[in-house]
Amino acid sequence: DTEVTQTPKHLVMGMTNKKSLKCEQHMGHRAMYWYKQKAKKPPELMFVYSYEKLSINESVPSRFSPECPNSSLLNLHLHALQPEDSALYLCASSHVGRQLNTEAFFGQGTRLTVV
Amino acid sequence: DAKTTQPNSMESNEEEPVHLPCNHSTISGTDYIHWYRQLPSQGPEYVIHGLTSNVNNRMASLAIAEDRKSSTLILHRATLRDAAVYYCILRDVRYGNKLVFGAGTILRVKS
Repeated sequence: DTEVTQTPKHLVMGMTNKKSLKCEQHMGHRAMYWYKQKAKKPPELMFVYSYEKLSINESVPSRFSPECPNSSLLNLHLHALQPEDSALYLCASSHVGRQLNTEAFFGQGTRLTVV
Repeated sequence: DAKTTQPNSMESNEEEPVHLPCNHSTISGTDYIHWYRQLPSQGPEYVIHGLTSNVNNRMASLAIAEDRKSSTLILHRATLRDAAVYYCILRDVRYGNKLVFGAGTILRVKS
């Protein structure tokens, strides 16, 4: 199983709503990532978790709150978003650090629209 | 993060080889060169990676210059399904979990 599963595939939320994006993998990967991708732009790294601990936060606003409850799951909690936060949110996973096979596997993304 | 420079776009004919260049003049000794591609409406997909020597796999070949300041991704026979954005990324093993995308090259394949 080389799949990263993201749910939901599409999400529309109001600026006062609270919602969560979910990501799951069963490849035994201990690094998990969140990216944000706007149309016709490359993915922008948001957060990285290593061994279920937040290791990288790329100065992301606090209205985005990541959580890694176990080695297979990664959540992104959303609160008080702005319309400019509308984007494709991608999750990825990989082995950690210095192992030779450090390719990252990406999910298909959640298309988020903030209204 | 060390920077990579790629052409904005390239075009290829179907069934012909494609050479996608990447410049990374500030590469450090601990940077691995990774290539990913993103097909329309999909998440990025790993293609290949290397450190110093040329690498081959079922998808592509990676040719790395002797000074490591540039590399070339080679698709041996382009198909319409290879039309995608190709990203060249430097990944520092000291910060192994950081994977930062640059602008990439849009590859168009003509039939």
